[in-house]
Amino acid sequence: QQQVRQSPQSLTVWEGETAILNCSYEDSTFDYFPWYWQFPRESPALLIAIRPVSNKKEDGRFTIFFNKREKKLSLHITDSQPGDSATYFCAASDVGDNSKLIWGLGTSLVVNP
Amino acid sequence: EAAVTQSPRNKVAVTGGKVTLSCNQTNNHNNMYWYRQDTGHGLRLIHYSYGAGSTEKGDIPDGYKASRPSQENFSLILELATPSQTSVYFCASGDLGEDTQYFGPGTRLLVL
Repeated sequence: QQQVRQSPQSLTVWEGETAILNCSYEDSTFDYFPWYWQFPRESPALLIAIRPVSNKKEDGRFTIFFNKREKKLSLHITDSQPGDSATYFCAASDVGDNSKLIWGLGTSLVVNP
Repeated sequence: EAAVTQSPRNKVAVTGGKVTLSCNQTNNHNNMYWYRQDTGHGLRLIHYSYGAGSTEKGDIPDGYKASRPSQENFSLILELATPSQTSVYFCASGDLGEDTQYFGPGTRLLVL
């Protein structure tokens, strides 16, 4: 059973639009939520991460919104660029064992010029 | 940033053969991981390690063994390779108290 769920599976937006990628989780003991991105034929790399002490984390055009009560988070990419086209993975780790990540299946984002 | 390398980068193996995938990291990270990535399944954890001499089973360990002979090296061993083990394998490393995992470039394995 998938403990971290992502939606949509794929998303296409136009350059300049805001892309919204969703993630939900089941285990209330999860306390660290990184987003990784992966470009075609490359390896995943950390993009941005949040802990439940905050409900928002911003890094340039990338913002995580976190709702602890609903066990949901979303990644907003403003002013999307073709270079943002990648697969985005939401992950989570448990309090006391941040070394092991539980991964979602990913959202494939395509930004058309 | 951690430097994680994998070898070989591409491998073709025969069913029933033994395959060893190697991973080396040069930033003295304690934790190392082996994942496989398949379309529709995302990243699945096979084995991981907290340091030299330690190996732990991940979510899909069946058919795989792991070896951590040193801080720098972590190997994944397929004793009897099967076509279902055709996949892209990623090694990653991370440090105690730091949550980021740094990935190697991946190994594409084809088992015929």
